[in-house]
Amino acid sequence: KAGVTQTPRYLIKTRGQQVTLSCSPISGHRSVSWYQQTPGQGLQFLFEYFSETQRNKGNFPGRFSGRQFSNSRSEMNVSTLELGDSALYLCASSINTGPEQYFGPGTRLTVT
Amino acid sequence: AQSVTQPDIHITVSEGASLELRCNYSYGATPYLFWYVQSPGQGLQLLLKYFSGDTLVQGIKGFEAEFKRSQSSFNLRKPSVHWSDAAEYFCVVAAGGGADGLTFGKGTHLIIQP
Repeated sequence: KAGVTQTPRYLIKTRGQQVTLSCSPISGHRSVSWYQQTPGQGLQFLFEYFSETQRNKGNFPGRFSGRQFSNSRSEMNVSTLELGDSALYLCASSINTGPEQYFGPGTRLTVT
Repeated sequence: AQSVTQPDIHITVSEGASLELRCNYSYGATPYLFWYVQSPGQGLQLLLKYFSGDTLVQGIKGFEAEFKRSQSSFNLRKPSVHWSDAAEYFCVVAAGGGADGLTFGKGTHLIIQP
């Protein structure tokens, strides 16, 4: 069974731009969560989607948003990019809303 | 709110030696507990998990972890490390059945000496 896939793997954007990252969960998994990983803050929870609904949200500004489609694929969007948004963005999927999550390889976003 | 402490930022171990990575959590009840490993440029791989029952859990790659309620700890162990074990290890808590997402420790960077 294929794992979680994320596209693109690397991205370079300029301050003020917006970006959209994509995540395809493991087949049969219906929950998708997003995390931000930075050297200073470590891994932080962004939000979780289940059945196309945001179930939970971490402590991030409204510039960070996401959505989930009927096939469970998810996208996250960051608007008005700031230098501090440079990070590895990780997507994880789980079968339903259980805590056992499986991670993708991440998207490395660099904001210049 | 729950929190996770990994007191060792870096640990250096000789190949073939035993390993113990420490983890302490703070939460009002017994949370779900995990260890994940991250190799450079890679995502996170689930090593093992504890939900309930037997407090000694076995995982992949020869790793095990022991849950000690009295010490709020969930330490990761391996009897003999291999050079391929060099990576970043994260202790993770899922409180409330995971309803609030996963809470990660800061990670322990494991270095293997030949």
